[in-house]
Amino acid sequence: EDQVTQSPEALRLQEGESSSLNCSYTVSGLRGLFWYRQDPGKGPEFLFTLYSAGEEKEKERLKATLTKKESFLHITAPKPEDSATYLCVLRRSNDYKLSFGAGTTVTVRA
Amino acid sequence: DAGVTQSPTHLIKTRGQHVTLRCSPISGHKSVSWYQQVLGQGPQFIFQYYEKEERGRGNFPDRFSARQFPNYSSELNVNALLLGDSALYLCASSGTSNEQFFGPGTRLTVL
Repeated sequence: EDQVTQSPEALRLQEGESSSLNCSYTVSGLRGLFWYRQDPGKGPEFLFTLYSAGEEKEKERLKATLTKKESFLHITAPKPEDSATYLCVLRRSNDYKLSFGAGTTVTVRA
Repeated sequence: DAGVTQSPTHLIKTRGQHVTLRCSPISGHKSVSWYQQVLGQGPQFIFQYYEKEERGRGNFPDRFSARQFPNYSSELNVNALLLGDSALYLCASSGTSNEQFFGPGTRLTVL
């Protein structure tokens, strides 16, 4: 069975204090690993897709990386508007559903 | 371009009632998936439809059903509501790429 484990559960940062979120996964055949951002009571917002180990993607203050067993989301010099729950999601080959981690809730204080 | 739309935004029902949730995908997307998100957890897969055919089903009871229409919009139906069905119900659409794009969700409260 696919497993997606995110850590930490919650992260409190001062504005400008960089940090990383971890996602460890087990899957038999990875079709893609995705990162989404979710604000309270809203639907998840797509951020990145990673397909193979060594791949990196960047968007503004966010950078996602992938190894064979983990993915990291690095937040550089965060701002209060980066406060959200970040979800790590995977899709197995020959399957259509997405499997979600429980998320890391990031709070950035001004 | 409009994103995924869902209706209604909020819904309050009592135990034993039936509910229908609606979703319109992004224009050009032919696949719609439904997810249930209980507070504090990640979304759980319920169904995926492609070209009006069910392509996948998660571990949910038969009280949950769905269908997709010729214009690719979709309905999720839940019968005999239980308190545990209270959740945010998310619809996602996808085209030819691997990514799924989510709507704002429908918040269902069962009393």
